[in-house]
Amino acid sequence: QQQVKQSPQSLIVQKGGISIINCAYENTAFDYFPWYQQFPGKGPALLIAIRPDVSEKKEGRFTISFNKSAKQFSLHIMDSQPGDSATYFCAASWGSGSARQLTFGSGTQLTVLP
Amino acid sequence: DVKVTQSSRYLVKRTGEKVFLECVQDMDHENMFWYRQDPGLGLRLIYFSYDVKMKEKGDIPEGYSVSREKKERFSLILESASTNQTSMYLCASSSPSGVYTFGSGTRLTVV
Repeated sequence: QQQVKQSPQSLIVQKGGISIINCAYENTAFDYFPWYQQFPGKGPALLIAIRPDVSEKKEGRFTISFNKSAKQFSLHIMDSQPGDSATYFCAASWGSGSARQLTFGSGTQLTVLP
Repeated sequence: DVKVTQSSRYLVKRTGEKVFLECVQDMDHENMFWYRQDPGLGLRLIYFSYDVKMKEKGDIPEGYSVSREKKERFSLILESASTNQTSMYLCASSSPSGVYTFGSGTRLTVV
């Protein structure tokens, strides 16, 4: 019930292409869906997040698409750059205040070729 | 800039040793977390704490314990290290709005 399933495990994209990472969940109690970006040797850092009352959120080249009925959400990276090469984790959160928790997908290693 | 600091970047320990991983945050966050990260398995929650001296088991607590004596410090303890605990360990704290800030991780090798 607490799982978030992420695919693909790895992704190779040419510079300028579109990178798409998909996630699916089962628990309808999830109410916050962030994406984290992790560079080698660093901890994950919040990239972009969405709440289920909207279907899309865009920040620069990064867009989250959210399909509440299908219980799926995805990250789109437009005009992918070599500097975007990193591991990306989707996540889902539930609870309130001190009880709020986050569960992560298994991660996608993105490589953008120059 | 907010920060979560993990005391060691790399550790090599022997099987059976008691291992302490330390984490300090400077954001006055109530919630702190310990995850381990393994290829293909993502981030798995070991323990979390929502207040001083309070702790809750996560998804994979076996073989681990934690200590939170002060609000800013959350320690992960491996009572008797085993080779299957070789991993990257990540500490995090979360804001009241649910944004997590992670440390840079400790890569532990148990030989």
